[in-house]
Order: sequence, then C-alpha cells, then structure tokens
Amino acid sequence: EIVMTQSPATLSVSPGERATLSCRASQRISSYLAWYQQKPGQAPRLLIYGTSTRATDIPGRFSGSGSGTEFTLTISSLQSEDFAVYFCQQYHTWPSTWTFGQGTKVEIK
Amino acid sequence: EVQLVQSGAEVKKPGESLKISCKGSGYIFTNYWIGWVRQMPGEGLEWIGIIYPGDSDTRYSPSFQGQVTISVDRSISTAYLQWSSLKASDTAMYYCARQETPEDPNDYWGRGTLVTVSS
Repeated sequence: EIVMTQSPATLSVSPGERATLSCRASQRISSYLAWYQQKPGQAPRLLIYGTSTRATDIPGRFSGSGSGTEFTLTISSLQSEDFAVYFCQQYHTWPSTWTFGQGTKVEIK
Repeated sequence: EVQLVQSGAEVKKPGESLKISCKGSGYIFTNYWIGWVRQMPGEGLEWIGIIYPGDSDTRYSPSFQGQVTISVDRSISTAYLQWSSLKASDTAMYYCARQETPEDPNDYWGRGTLVTVSS
C-alpha cells in the first residue's frame, strides 16, 4: 500500500498570507494526486486533481504542484473561508487501493 | 445538478446488521463509479471500496475485504454499503463519492451517514 504523509499536521496562518502544504508518497505515483478541503461537519470537496488541475469553481488562489513522490498545495492569500482541513489522495494504484494523507489543519494565527 | 443523497444517521448495537444507501441524481448513474470512504471520529479518510453501477464490478480495499459488502440497484440509482455484524469499531461517518473512472478522483460527495454502534 502506498502511504501518504502530509506535513505539517497543523499550519497557523494569518488571513491574507500564503499557505504551503506538503504531501509525500511512499513511492512514485506519477500525477495521480488530488487535494480535498474539508470543513467541520461537511463532506470533503475536491480542489485539485492530476496534481495541478483545479476542479470546477475552485478559486485561482489554490494551486497544486509536484511530481513523483513530492507534492504541494499552495493557497496564495488565505481567506476566512479557507480555514479547514486539507487531505491529499493518491489514486495511482488501480486496481489496488487508493490512500489519503492524514490531513493538514489550516487554522487562524 | 449532480447530487449524492445518503441515508440518515443510524444507531445500532454490536452484532446487528445494517445497510446504508447513496442515491445519485443529475447524471447518468450507470456511467460513473461510486466509492465509499470511512472517517472515524477525529480521524482522516479511509477508502473502503468502489462499484461500477453499469456492471456491478466491485473492488475492496484489503483492509475492508470481507468486512463490508458494496452493492447497487440500478433501477433506483442507488448504491449501498452493508454490514452483517457490526462492531463498536465500525462507529464512523461514511461518505459515498462519485468518480468517472478508476483513474479519476472523487468529484462529488454525499453529505455522509453517521453510524454509531454501541451497546
């Protein structure tokens, strides 16, 4: 099973600042990497897929990058609605299992 | 509008059976895979398995193989996740989510079904 490791576990950021979240895969996953945002009491929402493609209606301040085993989600200027937990997911190992990272909580500094 | 509507919260006792549902609308149900994801209290996301409503092709995570059953009723555009004998450790939120192919991420999610198993 591919293990996804996110860092940091918690990120304290002031509104308007930039946030950089990391996700590392235990083996190469090509570009099969997605990022999801989850707010308390809500289902996850797809932000980024294919490492760097924004999903429908996702604002341009969200961007993804990386390749191989190292991936990054950047939120260029944090808005109040962006404080949430962010999960990465690899979907490379079909027909085996997909796996998620443990999440990074972005909180208000 | 694409929607995945999940059944309501359940409270069960250990050893009881349970079947929760996920009804798709706003798209051709048989053309997209439906996956199930578990989120235990305060924890991250775990992928359970996936089914293709078009032909009922089903795949399970090794961690959940034999523990749950995923099925579908194409006539009512509904996917199911079921347990034959619940354990306290099955207490969690369960989400269904759609994906176009196995090589795609989950683009639409249900709001989740909270399952509580307690004696």
